[in-house]
Amino acid sequence: EAGVAQSPRYKIIEKRQSVAFWCNPISGHATLYWYQQILGQGPKLLIQFQNNGVVDDSQLPKDRFSAERLKGVDSTLKIQPAKLEDSAVYLCASSEGPGGGYGYTFGSGTRLTVV
Amino acid sequence: SQQGEEDPQALSIQEGENATMNCSYKTSINNLQWYRQNSGRGLVHLILIRSNEREKHSGRLRVTLDTSKKSSSLLITASRAADTASYFCAILPISSGSARQLTFGSGTQLTVLP
Repeated sequence: EAGVAQSPRYKIIEKRQSVAFWCNPISGHATLYWYQQILGQGPKLLIQFQNNGVVDDSQLPKDRFSAERLKGVDSTLKIQPAKLEDSAVYLCASSEGPGGGYGYTFGSGTRLTVV
Repeated sequence: SQQGEEDPQALSIQEGENATMNCSYKTSINNLQWYRQNSGRGLVHLILIRSNEREKHSGRLRVTLDTSKKSSSLLITASRAADTASYFCAILPISSGSARQLTFGSGTQLTVLP
């Protein structure tokens, strides 16, 4: 089966600019997650979707980050305006059901550098 | 913090040796999972162990879980240079409803020298 697709792979922007990331999960996976991974750290959850509804966005910096999942399939994560501390890898993952009782499948991530 | 914490932070061994990584956590869990991440890539799911299981095997991987001590270990036997990667434990806490997700530790960087 095809894996989780993410694009772009790399992005360099200046601070205060905006950026968007795209994710296409595994077909049939109802739950989609966006994680932020800062260099040398483990992934930290930003937002969790169940179908096209937000289940948990308690750790999403809503003043600058937004995310949507249209029609319960693809998802986009946007940062506007970006700050230097947003430099990180943004990972998208999907699972068959809520909570990942059978494990998550991750995409390769988007490496964002804010200069 | 609910997240798992791995120990050691870094481990360097010779090819053919065994590698053991530990994970400790603080909350009650539904399951605990181990993931591998090669440099510049996404995470790959290795193995999942449920709270009512004590040991699980998958190929050269052996995972143990001690819920009384809130700890887990990952053993990689007969290591290879290709096992060089970061290894993360992730916990799925017990929670009602769908608002629950894996919480990751900061990882162990394993280097296998040829």
